[in-house]
Amino acid sequence: EPEVTQTPSHQVTQMGQEVILRCVPISNHLYFYWYRQILGQKVEFLVSFYNNEISEKSEIFDDQFSVERPDGSNFTLKIRSTKLEDSAMYFCASSESSGGVGNTIYFGEGSWLTVV
Amino acid sequence: RKEVEQDPGPFNVPEGATVAFNCTYSNSASQSFFWYRQDCRKEPKLLMSVYSSGNEDGRFTAQLNRASQYISLLIRDSKLSDSATYLCVVRYNFNKFYFGSGTKLNVKP
Repeated sequence: EPEVTQTPSHQVTQMGQEVILRCVPISNHLYFYWYRQILGQKVEFLVSFYNNEISEKSEIFDDQFSVERPDGSNFTLKIRSTKLEDSAMYFCASSESSGGVGNTIYFGEGSWLTVV
Repeated sequence: RKEVEQDPGPFNVPEGATVAFNCTYSNSASQSFFWYRQDCRKEPKLLMSVYSSGNEDGRFTAQLNRASQYISLLIRDSKLSDSATYLCVVRYNFNKFYFGSGTKLNVKP
């Protein structure tokens, strides 16, 4: 069964450092997403991406965050200058379409980011 | 005001019990509805979509009430393996999905 894959599974970084989280969405999917989940809290939407540009973003997704699709398969989330409160599980997700039966989103296993 | 609200639980039930969760959403323009299951420190996994007419998948039944803006999930004959957090997810505004905080279920032997 096709799946969303993410790397790294776990990263520890020092405050102020830049981090890049990588994702390979399901190959025929057109919409890509990043979500985060702080330990013990709910899953929060960060950003959605379609046709090589951001289609939606939340208030969490400020100037320190950016996303990119550098080639035909990867989708990355960059955090420019990490803060302690960025420690969370970051989930990449993808969906085939935005509406109808193809709009179900499928999640990767997550990248656990710890900022120290 | 939260977009999607759920009772956090936990719901502690014996094996074989029937348990029901509810979820309310605030935006009447919401377009699609889902239940996801999340195990501890794992990714959310789709359990089922929720259709206007209600739908069933084995031991799981989902209902949608648009007038009252709530969604329900019924689990019959609970198994130990059903222990997880159940997330209510609502989609609106093109491709923005909102998650509830989840309802924790513990099924005990």
